[in-house]
Amino acid sequence: QKEVEQNSGPLSVPEGAIASLNCTYSDRGSQSFFWYRQYSGKSPELIMSIYSNGDKEDGRFTAQLNKASQYVSLLIRDSQPSDSATYLCAVSKNYQLIWGAGTKLIIKP
Amino acid sequence: DTGVSQNPRHKITKRGQNVTFRCDPISEHNRLYWYRQTLGQGPEFLTYFQNEAQLEKSRLLSDRFSAERPKGSFSTLEIQRTEQGDSAMYLCASSDTGEKLFFGSGTQLSVL
Repeated sequence: QKEVEQNSGPLSVPEGAIASLNCTYSDRGSQSFFWYRQYSGKSPELIMSIYSNGDKEDGRFTAQLNKASQYVSLLIRDSQPSDSATYLCAVSKNYQLIWGAGTKLIIKP
Repeated sequence: DTGVSQNPRHKITKRGQNVTFRCDPISEHNRLYWYRQTLGQGPEFLTYFQNEAQLEKSRLLSDRFSAERPKGSFSTLEIQRTEQGDSAMYLCASSDTGEKLFFGSGTQLSVL
């Protein structure tokens, strides 16, 4: 079992709809969780961090964390074509990040 | 520009040659990381510096790979006797907390 798992996709969502991206992790002691966006040929860019159970909203993005289920998700409201990218989930362990393989998101105009 | 800078952006080399990449982190960040990424995969940890000290190196990393960070400023990653399997994007990231990482643009290595 991988330490951080994501569905590789691609996930295809119509423009204007809500995109839902999911991530599970194996280390129950993990405390910090991150979502990075990576455009093709570019480096990852931090878009959200979450540390406690519940929801955290930032503009069109909402991160959700459920430590009991070892599950973190990212919701993107009013999806735009510019949101088309690979979204990487990362979990902090011993002050380093363990990465998922990413979910490719495609927003269809 | 106060972001993380990596050079070169692209490197094409022949198998068996040595290559060296440079990373200049955000100036106030004391932590520096090197990752490798191939298509369809997340970043793979290579090594980590806190100031000038190399605190961790991936066990998957062969002894052909070496990294330095003299004086705790810029860092270099050298690959000796390159192999075709070394072809990847090499990413450098810096951080002040060890959690929120800021990445450079990466160096795309192609080994022919």
